Amino acid sequence: KAGVTQTPRYLIKTRGQQVTLSCSPISGHRSVSWYQQTPGQGLQFLFEYFSETQRNKGNFPGRFSGRQFSNSRSEMNVSTLELGDSALYLCASRPSDTLGNTIYFGEGSWLTVV
Amino acid sequence: AQSVAQPEDQVNVAEGNPLTVKCTYSVSGNPYLFWYVQYPNRGLQFLLKYITGDNLVKGSYGFEAEFNKSQTSFHLKKPSALVSDSALYFCAVRDRGSGNTGKLIFGQGTTLQVKP
Repeated sequence: KAGVTQTPRYLIKTRGQQVTLSCSPISGHRSVSWYQQTPGQGLQFLFEYFSETQRNKGNFPGRFSGRQFSNSRSEMNVSTLELGDSALYLCASRPSDTLGNTIYFGEGSWLTVV
Repeated sequence: AQSVAQPEDQVNVAEGNPLTVKCTYSVSGNPYLFWYVQYPNRGLQFLLKYITGDNLVKGSYGFEAEFNKSQTSFHLKKPSALVSDSALYFCAVRDRGSGNTGKLIFGQGTTLQVKP
């Protein structure tokens, strides 16, 4: 079974632009969440989607948004990019909303803002 | 507020020796605890989790972790370290305050360096 797939793996954007990152969860998984990883702040939760509905949102500005499609694939968008948005963005999926589910991560999308 | 602490930024061990990576947690209610490993320029790989039951949890690649409720700890262990175990290790707890969502709260990570 294929794991969590994220595209693109690497990208460079200019300050002020916007970016869209894509995530395909493990087949059969209905929940997708996103995390930002930076050397200074570590791993921080962005948001989670379950059956196309946002279930929870972390403490990030409104420039960060996401959505989930009917096939459980998810995208996140960052508008008006800032230098501080440079980070590894990780997508994760789990089968359902049971608390004990294991959460599986993808390889991440490396975003550099210049 | 729920939190996870990994008190050591780096742990150094010699190959073949046992290793321990420490994690303490602070949660309300029963904790759901996880360990993940991250190799350079890669995502997070799941190692093991504690949900309920036996305090000693066995996971991938020979790793295990011991849940200690009285000490609020969930230390990661391996009887014999390999050079290939060198990586960044993260302890995480499921955020019980956000209902059934999948939000994980991570520790700051511990770099494990295994020397030949």
